[in-house]
Amino acid sequence: IAGITQAPTSQILAAGRRMTLRCTQDMRHNAMYWYRQDLGLGLRLIHYSNTAGTTGKGEVPDGYSVSRANTDDFPLTLASAVPSQTSVYFCASSDRDRAQYFGPGTRLTVL
Amino acid sequence: AQSVTQPDIHITVSEGASLELRCNYSYGATPYLFWYVQSPGQGLQLLLKYFSGDTLVQGIKGFEAEFKRSQSSFNLRKPSVHWSDAAEYFCASNFGNEKLTFGTGTRLTIIP
Repeated sequence: IAGITQAPTSQILAAGRRMTLRCTQDMRHNAMYWYRQDLGLGLRLIHYSNTAGTTGKGEVPDGYSVSRANTDDFPLTLASAVPSQTSVYFCASSDRDRAQYFGPGTRLTVL
Repeated sequence: AQSVTQPDIHITVSEGASLELRCNYSYGATPYLFWYVQSPGQGLQLLLKYFSGDTLVQGIKGFEAEFKRSQSSFNLRKPSVHWSDAAEYFCASNFGNEKLTFGTGTRLTIIP
């Protein structure tokens, strides 16, 4: 069982480009989340989905969009990347016990 | 406001010594509480969780945590640390919903 996989592992992106970070879980968890982690700011929630077909905004949603077409996948899209979106992005999922299980992260650099 | 506080930004302990990392929460009821560990360049790994019942919770890697309602605390402990325990530790809580509120983390350094 892989748990949560994220792709790519790292990416360097030119400002203005569109980018989709992929997240897939095999635990059949209902809820999924996207966080960004920045030095000195900790983990901040970008978007979440309580179940397939629904999404919600977290703390820092501007510049990001998500979709949840099925239970397993929760992609995060940057429509037009900006340097302030340079960060490490983590996907997570949770089930009824509310514990969240994290993927290995994607390190994104926007130049 | 609901919050999670980790008062110690950085702690250094000797290998083999005991460890206690502090976590306090602010909430009107008993929240769901968690401790996570993050090694450099890695994702967050769940160490243990508390929902209700026994206030002393055992986790992975020899860690335990004790919930104290009177002190609004959920401190993480380990009787004898190993060099491999060097990492960042995050306390987190659900305050009545599925979203996690994280503390700012405590960086643990182990010296020989």
